[in-house]
Amino acid sequence: EVQLVESGGGSVQPGGSLRLSCAASGFTFSRHDMNWVRQAPGKGLEWVSSIISSTGNIYYADSVKGRFTISRDNTKNSLYLQMNNLRPEDTAVYYCARDPYIGSYEIDYWGQGTLVTVSS
Amino acid sequence: SYVLAQPRSVSVILGETARISCGGDNIGARSVHWYQQKPGQAPNLVIYSDTNRPSGIPERFSGSNSGNTATLIISRVEVGDEADYYCQVWHGDSDHRVFGGGTRLTVL
Repeated sequence: EVQLVESGGGSVQPGGSLRLSCAASGFTFSRHDMNWVRQAPGKGLEWVSSIISSTGNIYYADSVKGRFTISRDNTKNSLYLQMNNLRPEDTAVYYCARDPYIGSYEIDYWGQGTLVTVSS
Repeated sequence: SYVLAQPRSVSVILGETARISCGGDNIGARSVHWYQQKPGQAPNLVIYSDTNRPSGIPERFSGSNSGNTATLIISRVEVGDEADYYCQVWHGDSDHRVFGGGTRLTVL
């Protein structure tokens, strides 16, 4: 059974940092492109970042570029999101999400999410 | 940047057919994916690549995509279909994934 379990969320002051982790199991992690998607309270889904399994290429939404860093450790079946210089508008549930196969751009599995709150 | 426009809400009578639109510039040239999200839950893929249903999704869910509009169609709507629905595409020009703003489906 495919499982994605996020951790690392919490409350932080503006300008602070957090590192999110996503532990993957039930599939060959190294063969899948992975993503972070967020959802602010009461709002819609917003794609944050993707990391491509085959090339290592990385992509970011304009709203987080230069502040967030996505990475993966295939030996630990884990995905990460380092978030620096956090802003109140970064407050959201952050989902770890998997693409089903190389070159697909839909998401077939999502974690349950971890809440990040940025407030003074 | 590429923008996907969805109606904020759609209402449908129990047992009837719901149609949720997703508008974008020449969206017919892109693959559109649809997600269902119920309160307190993570999203769930219901249609991928315009018209395909993942395993476990009822045949009542279907999709179309042409011109500037993609549509999620839910036939014989059930109370359990009440949820938020999001369309999504990959914008190759920017290597960004884009979500629509979401549509709240209400079953009357």
